[in-house]
Amino acid sequence: SAVISQKPSRDICQRGTSLTIQCQVDSQVTMMFWYRQQPGQSLTLIATANQGSEATYESGFVIDKFPISRPNLTFSTLTVSNMSPEDSSIYLCSVEDTGGYTFGSGTRLTVV
Amino acid sequence: GENVEQHPSTLSVQEGDSAVIKCTYSDSASNYFPWYKQELGKGPQLIIDIRSNVGEKKDQRIAVTLNKTAKHFSLHITETQPEDSAVYFCAASLRTGNQFYFGTGTSLTVIP
Repeated sequence: SAVISQKPSRDICQRGTSLTIQCQVDSQVTMMFWYRQQPGQSLTLIATANQGSEATYESGFVIDKFPISRPNLTFSTLTVSNMSPEDSSIYLCSVEDTGGYTFGSGTRLTVV
Repeated sequence: GENVEQHPSTLSVQEGDSAVIKCTYSDSASNYFPWYKQELGKGPQLIIDIRSNVGEKKDQRIAVTLNKTAKHFSLHITETQPEDSAVYFCAASLRTGNQFYFGTGTSLTVIP
């Protein structure tokens, strides 16, 4: 199955700033997915990122707050903009491969 | 959209006993049901999955059953070991590129 390198693994950020999370996949994939996992909660899909087109956002998530880049078939970034403490969560990327869906190890974000 | 419910939210078993986690889904069009194990500080790892044309699937100590009529599926772990302690998530989706709808998770503790 695909191997995903996600970074940073964790960060503590000041409110009002932005953080960009990167995901690198060891194989070419058509779609990459970005999820949020709030403390003690399940995973919620933020958006689906296709190479060469704008990301598709789920209800409750907007591009201005979570801009996504997908410059090629192995890489994507998610930016959490103008952060507030409510953005403290684990953010995960995911891809579909032959073995099912694989997740990155996540980015644990704390906003203070 | 799809709604996935998962029970119980926490489960403690003695080492060597069996553990069962149950999920229900609402959309009869869902046809792919994976189970993920998430250890502390890590991303979810796929442990087993089942498609709607199969009623049961087994992989060593782990098995999943699916009842399409009742729209529920279950994870069975036999001969539990302390390293099985983790949070387990069920999910439902339409296969191939569709988003996952995750259950709320079950925190399993195996007591040595």
